[in-house]
Amino acid sequence: DQQVKQNSPSLSVQEGRISILNCDYTNSMFDYFLWYKKYPAEGPTFLISISSIKDKNEDGRFTVFLNKSAKHLSLHIVPSQPGDSAVYFCAASGLGRLYFGRGTQLTVWP
Amino acid sequence: NAGVTQTPKFQVLKTGQSMTLQCAQDMNHNSMYWYRQDPGMGLRLIYYSASEGTTDKGEVPNGYNVSRLNKREFSLRLESAAPSQTSVYFCASSENSGYTEAFFGQGTRLTVV
Repeated sequence: DQQVKQNSPSLSVQEGRISILNCDYTNSMFDYFLWYKKYPAEGPTFLISISSIKDKNEDGRFTVFLNKSAKHLSLHIVPSQPGDSAVYFCAASGLGRLYFGRGTQLTVWP
Repeated sequence: NAGVTQTPKFQVLKTGQSMTLQCAQDMNHNSMYWYRQDPGMGLRLIYYSASEGTTDKGEVPNGYNVSRLNKREFSLRLESAAPSQTSVYFCASSENSGYTEAFFGQGTRLTVV
């Protein structure tokens, strides 16, 4: 049973606008969350993370928001750029390992 | 500046053949992982090693074995390959098994015919 869910397989956004990628989790034991970005034919690369003691973490154009009561996190990219087009994976840390969602394909068009 | 190195990058096997995927990291990380990525399925954990000398099953361990050869190396073996094992395999490592980001290799694209 999936413990980390990304319910949108794809998202298309115009360059310059905001991209919002969503992620839900089921296990309240998860206490650290990460976002990874993956280009075709490459391995996933770490993008940004957040601890469960915070509700927001910002790094340049990327911000992750965590709503623990709703077991929901989101990644905001502002402004979106064509180079951001990739698959984004949400992950949660617990029980000594990472649990990944199925990913969201983001396409940023000019 | 290698990070996580996987070999080979591509492989075609016939059903029933065996092979070993190699993974090495140079970051002195304690934990290492093997994932497979299939279309629409995301990254699924096959096996992991929280520290040298330990290995544990992940979500999809059937048909695979692993060896944590030393702190640097973690290999994945397919004893009798099946078409269902056609996938892209990623090795990853992290400083510890929680609260730290994992670094991934470039992947091995395996096709079983």
